[in-house]
Parts: sequence; C-alpha cells; structure tokens
Amino acid sequence: DSGVTQTPKHLITATGQRVTLRCSPRSGDLSVYWYQQSLDQGLQFLIQYYNGEERAKGNILERFSAQQFPDLHSELNLSSLELGDSALYFCASSVGTGGLYTEAFFGQGTRLTVV
Amino acid sequence: GQQLNQSPQSMFIQEGEDVSMNCTSSSIFNTWLWYKQDPGEGPVLLIALYKAGELTSNGRLTAQFGITRKDSFLNISASIPSDVGIYFCAGQKAGSQGNLIFGKGTKLSVKP
Repeated sequence: DSGVTQTPKHLITATGQRVTLRCSPRSGDLSVYWYQQSLDQGLQFLIQYYNGEERAKGNILERFSAQQFPDLHSELNLSSLELGDSALYFCASSVGTGGLYTEAFFGQGTRLTVV
Repeated sequence: GQQLNQSPQSMFIQEGEDVSMNCTSSSIFNTWLWYKQDPGEGPVLLIALYKAGELTSNGRLTAQFGITRKDSFLNISASIPSDVGIYFCAGQKAGSQGNLIFGKGTKLSVKP
C-alpha cells in the first residue's frame, strides 16, 4: 500500500459527461501529480500541484482541470468526455519537488471508460 | 508529450536469466527513478538515483545513473516468475519544476 488513495476505482460514463476523480496523498506529502495512462501512450504527465498551487503543467487538455485543496487532497475534473479519454488516471504524491523529494508514490488508479 | 526512450519494449526470458533495460534522453536529468507496474495496479518505486555515476541496488535489482546524466540502466539478476510486469524509467529534467517524465515501459515476461 503506497499510502495514496484514489477514488473511485472504476468509472463508466457517457460521452459529453463530466466526472471528478479524487486523490488523497500520503501523509506529509505536499506535491500531487496526475498522470494518464493509455494502452499505447505510456504514462503521460497531466499536471502537478504543490501545497495548493499549480507547479507544472503537461499535456492536459483544456477540458480537464485540477485543483489541490487546503487539506492537500486533489481532484481532477474531466468534462465533455470523449471516447478517447478512456484510460487509467493515476495520482502520485511526493514530499516536495527536488532531489529525493521527487520520489513519487502512486495510487491504484481510476479506470475511466467512456461509452 | 516528451518521453524518455526506453528499450527494449518487451523481453521474454527464461527463469534464472539476467535482464537489462535502459533509458536514454537528449536532455540532462537530475534524478532517475525506476518503477514496476503489475496489471491493474499503480507503478511501484523500485530504485531512485540522484548523482551521475551512482550505482544502487535493491535486492536482485541494480540501477545506474549514467555519467552523461542522459541515461540510466536497470539490471535484474536471476529472474523469477514474480518479476513479470512492466518496468518504467522516469526522470526529472535539470531545471524542471519537479514533474517526472516517463519512458514507455519494458514489458518483462518470464518463462518458468
């Protein structure tokens, strides 16, 4: 158990809908990352938050947004869903953002299926 | 998006054999991490490297941070069936904000 909790584990929704994925980082970790994993794309970095503020942005679509709350949990919002958004979405957390604080621990993921 | 070049893409080996895989990049990295992912699970951190030339072991696993800071290697000795899975390298680019860039993974299959 990595200590990172993601909910829900599975989500099936229709095209055009909006969903929210939730992540609770490990106790003490200030940094939260979101990754998308599709079959043929490996792990794609979406966005990173550090202590409530956006720190880095990757290949995140405009239809997607995220935030980190004062209690450090994070939510990833996906809207106007398309079939191609079906993927595993992982949250990871780390203590900080440099050196050994970069060691990121992953949750079990949320498998999103858009039908 | 930017990714590391990880090779080989897949390996099918006999139990007991040693395994080598590597990651390369055109950019300099400050940190190299190696993860293993089992089906339906999140990646699990195996080894972390922070200095050029650093060689670190974790049981039968050994990883090295390349001298040029643009590559890293993972070796698994005397493979066993439970080594099956996908191995990912990940790195933090020098001067980046902290996000990790991942390779596409090496899928390891072990024949008993």
